[in-house]
Amino acid sequence: EAGVAQSPRYKIIEKRQSVAFWCNPISGHATLYWYQQILGQGPKLLIQFQNNGVVDDSQLPKDRFSAERLKGVDSTLKIQPAKLEDSAVYLCASSLGARPWETQYFGPGTRLLVL
Amino acid sequence: DAKTTQPTSMDCAEGRAANLPCNHSTISGNEYVYWYRQIHSQGPQYIIHGLKNNETNEMASLIITEDRKSSTLILPHATLRDTAVYYCIVRVDKLIFGTGTRLQVFP
Repeated sequence: EAGVAQSPRYKIIEKRQSVAFWCNPISGHATLYWYQQILGQGPKLLIQFQNNGVVDDSQLPKDRFSAERLKGVDSTLKIQPAKLEDSAVYLCASSLGARPWETQYFGPGTRLLVL
Repeated sequence: DAKTTQPTSMDCAEGRAANLPCNHSTISGNEYVYWYRQIHSQGPQYIIHGLKNNETNEMASLIITEDRKSSTLILPHATLRDTAVYYCIVRVDKLIFGTGTRLQVFP
């Protein structure tokens, strides 16, 4: 079974530029998550989708970050404009559902460097 | 904030069992204990989870104390490829990661 796919794997941009990340979850998984992982820290949840609806975006900096999951499958996360402190790994995860016994599976992440 | 306490780092000899402790003294009755690991430059990898009973799969065993206030992840025969950061998480809805335990397996 294919895992969670993410692209690109690496991205370098200058501050104030925009960037977008793409995620393709495991087939059949209704729940999709985006996490941000700053160097030396554990991943932090940014946004959770159930099908194509947002369940939790309380930790998403909405002035510059946006995310969508059209058709309830693939998702994109966008940053516009980027700041230096956005340098991090952006991880996508998916699960069958959001119940606590339903395991989240993570993709390899996109490593973003903002100069 | 993470609701678990783990040692910052541990060492283990290759071929020996690695026992990683986790304290979760404020765990609620409906919270699951999850373990993930993260090998350098990769996404977190699911290992195992449990609610009350001990669990075992092809990767590891999870031992949860009767009062559920602590647990231990056991890698029965550690290899060099098990070198990673191991995260213990208690979950009712969100996964909230702490800083984990950095396990170094040495030859």
